[in-house]
Amino acid sequence: EDQVTQSPEALRLQEGESSSLNCSYTVSGLRGLFWYRQDPGKGPEFLFTLYSAGEEKEKERLKATLTKKESFLHITAPKPEDSATYLCAVQANRGSTLGRLYFGRGTQLTVWP
Amino acid sequence: EAQVTQNPRYLITVTGKKLTVTCSQNMNHEYMSWYRQDPGLGLRQIYYSMNVEVTDKGDVPEGYKVSRKEKRNFPLILESPSPNQTSLYFCASSLGTSFTEQYFGPGTRLTVT
Repeated sequence: EDQVTQSPEALRLQEGESSSLNCSYTVSGLRGLFWYRQDPGKGPEFLFTLYSAGEEKEKERLKATLTKKESFLHITAPKPEDSATYLCAVQANRGSTLGRLYFGRGTQLTVWP
Repeated sequence: EAQVTQNPRYLITVTGKKLTVTCSQNMNHEYMSWYRQDPGLGLRQIYYSMNVEVTDKGDVPEGYKVSRKEKRNFPLILESPSPNQTSLYFCASSLGTSFTEQYFGPGTRLTVT
């Protein structure tokens, strides 16, 4: 069964305190892993796509990395505006279910000044 | 401006009264999908459509119907809503099943009493 687990469920950081969010997955053949940011009351906003182990993507203070079993979202020197829920999703490499996306429950990040 | 629109944004209804939530995108995307988001359960896929007249079930399709008669629209139909369908619903679209730059709508908060 395809599954995505995110940890921690919630994370509080002081401004400038770097940390990482984890997304572990079990899927029979990974086609893609996706990170989203979701602000309260809004739809998720796409951040990154990762396709293969060893791949890294960066955007401002965020860097996403991928291994064969998990992905990390590293946040360097976070600011209060980085506060949001971060969602991870995976797509399996199966022709019959290419349209399926499996989401984790998210990590709620709070960055205080 | 590239966007996914949903209507209505908020809806309170009673058990058994048929309703439709509309979703429209202006990016000529082939792929569209519906999700529901519940506290503690995260985002779960209801239905998706790879193209016009092509739809398929996600994780939680029971009690829902969809249709894709034209590329830009993907309505979600609840023919006999029940209280367990009270949730926050999101429509999403992307160019294809690479899911690169998947765009989400603003959400529809549905309450069934």
